[in-house]
Amino acid sequence: ETVLTQSPGTLSLSPGERATLSCRASQSVSSSYLAWYQQKPGQAPRLLIYGASSRATGIPDRFSGSGSGTDFTLTISRLEPEDFAVYYCQQYGSSYTFGQGTKLEIK
Amino acid sequence: EVQLVESGGGLVQPGGSLRLSCAVSGFTFSGYWMHWVRQAPGKGLVWVSRIKGDGSNIRYADSVKGRFTISRDNAKNTLFLQMNSLRAEDTAVYYCARDGTSGNFDYWGQGTLVTVSS
Repeated sequence: ETVLTQSPGTLSLSPGERATLSCRASQSVSSSYLAWYQQKPGQAPRLLIYGASSRATGIPDRFSGSGSGTDFTLTISRLEPEDFAVYYCQQYGSSYTFGQGTKLEIK
Repeated sequence: EVQLVESGGGLVQPGGSLRLSCAVSGFTFSGYWMHWVRQAPGKGLVWVSRIKGDGSNIRYADSVKGRFTISRDNAKNTLFLQMNSLRAEDTAVYYCARDGTSGNFDYWGQGTLVTVSS
């Protein structure tokens, strides 16, 4: 099973700042089958990024994804108040596994 | 508009059974793989099961294999999850999700809570 480790566990930033979230896989993720999701309290997850770097429909361009192999990054260029949430990475190259999540909180 | 609406959750005793449903609309259901994903209270997301559009190619997480059964009725645009021999560790919000491209989940339902407790 491919284990995904996200860091940091919690990230405290202010609106307008840049956020960089990391996702490291225990083995190479084939074909960059790596996705990122945002989840707010009491809501279902929302797909942000798929294929490591493609934005899902309706996702603002301040969200970007990068990486390949075992190291992936989600970057939010300039934080808006609505961006504070929990973020999960997911690999779908070998079955399906999620990272444990990064909580992005207001500083 | 794509919509997925789960139902069937509730409180059940250990060893009991429950059947979850996910009614979908706004897309051609038979053309998409579908998944169940769960989230225990205060915890992360865990994939549970998947099924291809024609009802084939079924897979399960090891934690539910032999106890859960995924199925679908394309005529009724509905996905199911039959859960037997339920355990306390199955307590979670269960989401149905549509497979976007090759295994990411592009649309999710609002979730239904399953609580296994005596």
